[in-house]
Amino acid sequence: EAQVTQNPRYLITVTGKKLTVTCSQNMNHEYMSWYRQDPGLGLRQIYYSMNVEVTDKGDVPEGYKVSRKEKRNFPLILESPSPNQTSLYFCASSLRTQVHEQFFGPGTRLTVL
Amino acid sequence: DQQVKQNSPSLSVQEGRISILNCDYTNSMFDYFLWYKKYPAEGPTFLISISSIKDKNEDGRFTVFLNKSAKHLSLHIVPSQPGDSAVYFCAASYTGNQFYFGTGTSLTVIP
Repeated sequence: EAQVTQNPRYLITVTGKKLTVTCSQNMNHEYMSWYRQDPGLGLRQIYYSMNVEVTDKGDVPEGYKVSRKEKRNFPLILESPSPNQTSLYFCASSLRTQVHEQFFGPGTRLTVL
Repeated sequence: DQQVKQNSPSLSVQEGRISILNCDYTNSMFDYFLWYKKYPAEGPTFLISISSIKDKNEDGRFTVFLNKSAKHLSLHIVPSQPGDSAVYFCAASYTGNQFYFGTGTSLTVIP
């Protein structure tokens, strides 16, 4: 089944404790992206990647890191999480030629205490 | 500053009637516009898109209209069905790889 998977789905952590949210897709997509969803702010793009070893900042990259060492994986790293990073995070992927038609993962609910 | 705005947080429509969801944008450089649909506890799913060179795109019950002079787009759903009840996000892009989403409109279709 074609899908984007994220792990973990739920995470409660404390300020300053480094964490990684993994994202994997099995559709051989070149483009991958991370978004966060917050009440009243909608979806905001954090980082995106057009292909392996190519990453770029989105609208709200502060406090986040990403890497794209393999085509299928695009982990989101929070080196020192803070409470304002409490949010619902989505990973998405698409073909490079159809980036408007992104396939989203189920989301990761992160709470930073 | 929000470059894509959905000013109606919610909308209720009777089954069988037309649903019209609206979206405004501020950046005249946007050249591609999208609508995504989201059910609770799921990720958004792509619904329909439109390029800035067009003013209308239709896919079954869904039609998106673009008014570039007003910097406004709308999504029409005809006829509305209970399964259409979801949150709808509009989005825009001008680089082809960076996207700006609105805050979403929650549509409820009443049977």
